[in-house]
Amino acid sequence: KNEVEQSPQNLTAQEGEFITINCSYSVGISALHWLQQHPGGGIVSLFMLSSGKKKHGRLIATINIQEKHSSLHITASHPRDSAVYICAVLPSTYNTDKLIFGTGTRLQVFP
Amino acid sequence: ETGVTQSPTHLIKTRGQQVTLRCSSQSGHNTVSWYQQALGQGPQFIFQYYREEENGRGNFPPRFSGLQFPNYSSELNVNALELDDSALYLCASSLGNTREAFFGQGTRLTVV
Repeated sequence: KNEVEQSPQNLTAQEGEFITINCSYSVGISALHWLQQHPGGGIVSLFMLSSGKKKHGRLIATINIQEKHSSLHITASHPRDSAVYICAVLPSTYNTDKLIFGTGTRLQVFP
Repeated sequence: ETGVTQSPTHLIKTRGQQVTLRCSSQSGHNTVSWYQQALGQGPQFIFQYYREEENGRGNFPPRFSGLQFPNYSSELNVNALELDDSALYLCASSLGNTREAFFGQGTRLTVV
């Protein structure tokens, strides 16, 4: 079993829909990252959070440390949001910045 | 724009050859991590360098090695390439104590 699980693996939506991507993890963490990866590979960090909630534009990320669960929400989705969204955790037991990644959620938003 | 650049962007090598991938980190970022991402998978941690010393290693054989330089650039070297080494290689830099990682665009390596 992977230490970081994401759901769903694939997601399609119509433009304007509200999107939720979930991430569950099984280890104690110092922080959790939500990342966006477009075709071609480059990864962009969307959020780093260790508690509560963060908002940036149409993106909202929440984390529940007790339940070991985080969600990424996209409001008013747009075709340019189409990408792979990856959850990655920084385990609290390591003294390195080794991230453990989920396998990603592939989102396609159609006009 | 993350301020982290990797070169080359694409590379094709023959099995058994050696390859060097390069990463230029943001100025002041004393920590760099390298990850391997196979097709359809999440990235896997290869190793991390902090102030030019290896500071943690994932489950990769010794033919994967690295260097970090005082100018915040780093290298990933892979010897005796195998077909399964074909992947996207990502570097991520950070100021160690902030833990926020900035990723490069990656180098896509194909071993034939």
